[in-house]
Amino acid sequence: DTGVSQDPRHKITKRGQNVTFRCDPISEHNRLYWYRQTLGQGPEFLTYFQNEAQLEKSRLLSDRFSAERPKGSFSTLEIQRTEQGDSAMYLCASSFHDGQGILSPLHFGNGTRLTVT
Amino acid sequence: AQKITQTQPGMFVQEKEAVTLDCTYDTSDQSYGLFWYKQPSSGEMIFLIYQGSYDEQNATEGRYSLNFQKARKSANLVISASQLGDSAMYFCAMREGMDSSYKLIFGSGTRLLVRP
Repeated sequence: DTGVSQDPRHKITKRGQNVTFRCDPISEHNRLYWYRQTLGQGPEFLTYFQNEAQLEKSRLLSDRFSAERPKGSFSTLEIQRTEQGDSAMYLCASSFHDGQGILSPLHFGNGTRLTVT
Repeated sequence: AQKITQTQPGMFVQEKEAVTLDCTYDTSDQSYGLFWYKQPSSGEMIFLIYQGSYDEQNATEGRYSLNFQKARKSANLVISASQLGDSAMYFCAMREGMDSSYKLIFGSGTRLLVRP
């Protein structure tokens, strides 16, 4: 399977704990996105990378959130001192950008569902 | 103000019939893109169809077509010949301006249930 994979699929944690999620994009894709989806809502953009560079961060990404893509391949999203309001599905997606404005379609993973108790 | 509005929280359709899912958008940009995604219970967002603001023809992809009415700022998705596998959440999304990224704004979705 050469799609976007996310690990873990589910995570239950207690308030105040730190959690880290991993995303492996489609191998030839140079752009990687993180979205958050709360129950009953559409996804909300959090941040995206081109190769290892983080190009944009949403205001939703508080200082407790940090995302990295150290080698331009997989990415991690860490949430420190989790709060109940962090409970959501965290979706990763990837695409290819050719540097001249041409984008391949965006491919999403199955997401990581976080529950903070 | 909502940038993407999907006013139908849930819809039913009989198998083999057509269904229209509504989407209106709000932007002051002249250049923008509109997307529809399907989200089955597995959670993955599946791209269905895309319409650029300057595209003169309505987009079509197999059984999916997008009824783009620019003056009304609407981008409704039409699914023809519904199948049981079409039961899912459907999201309308927009990319504003000349941004060449997938920083998308999503609506709240419509849950479609196809009846046998």
